[in-house]
Amino acid sequence: QQPVQSPQAVILREGEDAVINCSSSKALYSVHWYRQKHGEAPVFLMILLKGGEQKGHDKISASFNEKKQQSSLYLTASQLSYSGTYFCGTERKGGSEKLVFGKGTKLTVNP
Amino acid sequence: NAGVTQTPKFRILKIGQSMTLQCTQDMNHNYMYWYRQDPGMGLKLIYYSVGAGITDKGEVPNGYNVSRSTTEDFPLRLELAAPSQTSVYFCVAGELFFGEGSRLTVL
Repeated sequence: QQPVQSPQAVILREGEDAVINCSSSKALYSVHWYRQKHGEAPVFLMILLKGGEQKGHDKISASFNEKKQQSSLYLTASQLSYSGTYFCGTERKGGSEKLVFGKGTKLTVNP
Repeated sequence: NAGVTQTPKFRILKIGQSMTLQCTQDMNHNYMYWYRQDPGMGLKLIYYSVGAGITDKGEVPNGYNVSRSTTEDFPLRLELAAPSQTSVYFCVAGELFFGEGSRLTVL
């Protein structure tokens, strides 16, 4: 089951904050976040494994609510380099080994 | 450190032709995946492998085949190419490391 990402697109000015959500109708074991710039391969950002876990580095962080089967990616004080398409990849509970991706959220950061 | 190497990077096929996309990793990961990405769309899982000799279908396996004879190599074979297989293909090792992608056009 493909996770649902929202919003589909967001436009920010440099320095503003954004939240990208990823929801699944199935119980999740893990959530992975990636960023892809145009014409390039996706780049891994972080993985969240436990219910209620929150991780982050620099000004990008994420939370994972295992009970709600959803994860949120937080980008604070956005920089121009944050522009790209963000994908969540989810692994269902039970270790199915399949990583299924959402359709992505296109983030544009303007000066 | 090569990571995940995909070849070719670009290829144009005629309808009905066959080809193999090569993928090699040097990180000794057991898990490897093949995804396709259509313009403006997310990544769809074609096939995956949890170790040498073990493969399984993903979301969109029709028209493709894979093999995993070694930990390092995970080739993807397209039989009887169709225009619907025009896409960018990514090989992934260990759920974290993407190859640079192979852009395939079927005309």
